[in-house]
Amino acid sequence: EIVLTQSPGTLSLSPGERATLSCRASQSVSSSYLAWYQQKPGQAPRLLIYGASSRATGIPDRFSGSGSGTDFTLTISRLEPEDFAVYYCQQYGSSPSTFGGGTKVEIK
Amino acid sequence: QVQLQESGPGLVKPSQTLSLTCTVSGGSISSGGYYWSWIRQHPGKGLEWIGYIYYSGSTYYNPSLKSRVTISVDTSKNQFSLKLSSVTAADTAVYYCARDYAGLGGPFDYWGQGTLVTVSS
Repeated sequence: EIVLTQSPGTLSLSPGERATLSCRASQSVSSSYLAWYQQKPGQAPRLLIYGASSRATGIPDRFSGSGSGTDFTLTISRLEPEDFAVYYCQQYGSSPSTFGGGTKVEIK
Repeated sequence: QVQLQESGPGLVKPSQTLSLTCTVSGGSISSGGYYWSWIRQHPGKGLEWIGYIYYSGSTYYNPSLKSRVTISVDTSKNQFSLKLSSVTAADTAVYYCARDYAGLGGPFDYWGQGTLVTVSS
């Protein structure tokens, strides 16, 4: 199965700053079938990005995804207070689908 | 607006079978086009996809759990269910049900709130 490694483990930033999160796959992700989710404490994950770069319904345009093959990036252009959370990547191009270990974006 | 809600026992004894149900509202499972998944999250850890079912009853399970997992669907009640047999403490987790619109084990656009299942005697 494909192993996804997210970095950094924790990102300490201030509101208004830019956040860049990385997701690296152990082998190429087919058809860029890569998604990003946001999870806040006590809540279910929320789909942000699918197909590596397509925003899900209702997701603000400060969230953007990019990448292909084995290297993918989630960028939050300007952090809002509600963006401080844990972010997971998921590949669904190869069965079984797998998730990364997460990146926590915390307030500096 | 589609909503999903998990239900079932929060405590299961080791070696027994964990049973959960997900009730879907705001949309019909039998209308097709979507796959219905179970995902779990161990305390403080990442996410693990368990498997999915289509309204027709066809299923796909994560090979890591395949020998112990059964997912079924009841279209008359707009529900789908998870059974995980021979549980151990390692199966303690928050269990989520979710809608998979691609049939690939993701991406998941609607999720239940999750239910914590603890395996303990």
